[in-house]
Amino acid sequence: GAVVSQHPSWVICKSGTSVKIECRSLDFQATTMFWYRQFPKQSLMLMATSNEGSKATYEQGVEKDKFLINHASLTLSTLTVTSAHPEDSSFYICSARRTGGYEQYFGPGTRLTVT
Amino acid sequence: GQQVMQIPQYQHVQEGEDFTTYCNSSTTLSNIQWYKQRPGGHPVFLIQLVKSGEVKKQKRLTFQFGEAKKNSSLHITATQTTDVGTYFCAGPVSSGGSNYKLTFGKGTLLTVNP
Repeated sequence: GAVVSQHPSWVICKSGTSVKIECRSLDFQATTMFWYRQFPKQSLMLMATSNEGSKATYEQGVEKDKFLINHASLTLSTLTVTSAHPEDSSFYICSARRTGGYEQYFGPGTRLTVT
Repeated sequence: GQQVMQIPQYQHVQEGEDFTTYCNSSTTLSNIQWYKQRPGGHPVFLIQLVKSGEVKKQKRLTFQFGEAKKNSSLHITATQTTDVGTYFCAGPVSSGGSNYKLTFGKGTLLTVNP
């Protein structure tokens, strides 16, 4: 159990376009989901915490208007990178925590390349 | 804010040798979690330690939580090529109410020479 899926697994888009990434908890309900960004050979940088039915909480330095997060249900959170630029190219990983649980279950990640 | 430091950043060993990664927090932790990320993969939860001085074992992996709950270690005995990956420690930080987020260490990349 505790499987998290992410879609798409990779995407290439042109500068100025928007990209939506979906994160789903497949076999459990997740009140809270997290969005991370990871650069090659580096640690996970938390971008925002997504709570079902409420606004996401963004980390300092993360532009909320650029990285739109929606947590519409207990099994789905989406991250939309708006007006993407080459510097937004990165590996984006979501994670979900069971209601009442402590560990995070990570999705397989989405490799975004902006040309 | 809370900082979680992890050393070493890289460790290369011969298969069969032991490996240890250390984690230190700038603040006392309520618990500490360890994750493993294989090359090209995503982090996978390994374990959580909660009690002061706690020691837990998973086969060849031994996890320790310091008495002051500010440091932790992961020790692998007789490494195998399947142990290759980046090991992260993570400590919780309150994000309001009963919610919390994790602060991850920079991770230790373990490579094993067969």
